[in-house]
Amino acid sequence: QVQLQESGPRLVKPSETLSLTCTVSGDSITSDGYSWNWIRQPAGKGLEWIGRVYSNAVANYSPSLQSRLTMSLDTSKNQFSLRLNSVTAADTAVYYCARDPSFGRWLDPWGQGTQVIVSP
Amino acid sequence: AIQLTQSPSSLSASAGDRVTITCRASQGIASAVAWYQQKPGMGPKLLIYDASRLERGVPSRFSGRGSGTDFTLTISSLQPEDFATYFCQQFNSFPPTFGQGTRLEIK
Repeated sequence: QVQLQESGPRLVKPSETLSLTCTVSGDSITSDGYSWNWIRQPAGKGLEWIGRVYSNAVANYSPSLQSRLTMSLDTSKNQFSLRLNSVTAADTAVYYCARDPSFGRWLDPWGQGTQVIVSP
Repeated sequence: AIQLTQSPSSLSASAGDRVTITCRASQGIASAVAWYQQKPGMGPKLLIYDASRLERGVPSRFSGRGSGTDFTLTISSLQPEDFATYFCQQFNSFPPTFGQGTRLEIK
């Protein structure tokens, strides 16, 4: 059974960098062709796709966030990570990680999510 | 980016009812739609992919239809565990985008 678990600080100050890690169990992040995705959901709102990093470490980012984003793999720990710099209150959300084993057709499974609050 | 508009945004129904949720795309997206179920405090769960293919282990009371710009998710006979929020997602065009969600509540 594949499981994903997000981790990272709950509180980040404005203008600083948000860093999150997703730990994968039951699958390898180097599985050929898979991508590892980040999605966020502000309170009471819908889902926003943030970006993905492929098993070969190539990353694609949402155009609205790409200037502030970096995603990477840590194969030794079977983890992938997200760094979003220069955060503002608008980046407050629940952040989810998810696997795409389908070459861009669906996301499954998802982690349970982690709340990040941007506040002084 | 392609916009997905779900309707209704919320829906009250009773156990045993048949319900249909609609997802309309701002431009044609072939059959590149997935549907997810989300319960409070949890990540979304995949129900349907490629617009109409049922994910393994998902009850057959869930079904999806559509292509182009109009898509539907139907639950044929609501069970208590089906009361949740449902999202559509398109993968045809970069970046992937989601509908705003439909909250299904107990009447």
